[in-house]
Formats: sequence, structure tokens, C-alpha cells
Amino acid sequence: DTGVSQDPRHKITKRGQNVTFRCDPISEHNRLYWYRQTLGQGPEFLTYFQNEAQLEKSRLLSDRFSAERPKGSFSTLEIQRTEQGDSAMYLCASSLGENIQYFGAGTRLSVL
Amino acid sequence: QQQVKQSPQSLIVQKGGIPIINCAYENTAFDYFPWYQQFPGKGPALLIAIRPDVSEKKEGRFTISFNKSAKQFSLHIMDSQPGDSATYFCAAHALGGSEKLVFGKGTKLTVNP
Repeated sequence: DTGVSQDPRHKITKRGQNVTFRCDPISEHNRLYWYRQTLGQGPEFLTYFQNEAQLEKSRLLSDRFSAERPKGSFSTLEIQRTEQGDSAMYLCASSLGENIQYFGAGTRLSVL
Repeated sequence: QQQVKQSPQSLIVQKGGIPIINCAYENTAFDYFPWYQQFPGKGPALLIAIRPDVSEKKEGRFTISFNKSAKQFSLHIMDSQPGDSATYFCAAHALGGSEKLVFGKGTKLTVNP
């Protein structure tokens, strides 16, 4: 499979727990994006990496959220002390330079 | 602040019909306008995209019409099929920088047999 891969596909957690999601971009894509999508809405930008550098973060990304992309390959998104409002689909996308963003299938987070 | 406004929220057509989805934007720095298709449980997939130097682009049964002066663009699906039933999102970004996509709220399209 040469597409963007996200793991896990579904995550159920209790309020206050920490969760971590992983994204494997398309090989050789230097740009990686995280978006969040809630029911009935379009995806909203969270953060962007060019290679291993995190170059932009949305105001939506509170201090409880952290993202990394070590070595410019896969990326992780961690949410600490989850809240019910964090329940959403977390989407990862990758692109090669100024080109099409290819999306993964997403990780659906449910915070109980 | 919603930078890309999309309408209608939902749309039902018969097979063979031509659904039209409209979007309007505010930021004049936007210069790339893609449309994404999303099926339940899947991530968005690029359908077709346009830059503001052309007024129309066709790819198969999908056509984008673009009106730069009105800051509006629309998606037309010719000869729609039940398999086209999905949620469609318009989006925009400005070249340079992160090129993060700003999405509309989506249109749920249902094509009845």
C-alpha cells in the first residue's frame, strides 16, 4: 500500500487519559499535515511539517497537543489529558512540495 | 471566521442529473482551489483542482467553474451515478508557506437510482 497510513483507525479512551496517533506519509513526501474533522464539518488544519521541522501550528492546537516528525518520516500526534471536546476524526495528509495533499483514512477518537 | 463558504449543505438528485455545489471565498491570497470527495469512514480524496488563471476545468464527468471577480467557484457532476453519493468539500490555499487547506463545511450528495 503506497498511500498515507494512519494507526489506529479507532481509539476509545476515558477523559483525562493520554492518546497517541501515528501517521506514515507517502514515501518521499516532504510535507506532512494534521487536520481535525468533527461531524458535519470540513477538516480543520492543526499543524504542518516540512521534513522534520514543525513550521506552523493552528490556534486549535492547545498546549495539550504535541506533534513530532522525527527524521522527517512518520509523525505522531499526542493528546494529553483528553477532554470530551477532543472527540473527532484526526486526519493526516502528505504532499511533495507544492502539490496535491493525499489524505489517510484518519483516526477516529472517542473520549468518554 | 469561515473563509470558504459552501452550499448547499445537502443535495438529492436522480441518476443522470447534474448536481451543482457552490463555494465562495474571502481571502484574495487564495490561488489554488481543490475539490475533495469523502466516503463514510474514509479520508478525503482529491477529485479535481483549479487555479485562478482559468475559468473552467473538466476531468471526466467533473467540471469546476471559477469566477475570480466574484470570488466564487462551483463543481458540476455530469451524468451523476449512485456511486457518486458522498460528501464533497471545496477547499482553498495560498501558494507559499505551509499551503494548509481551508475547507468548506461540505455538501452531502445523494444520487438516487
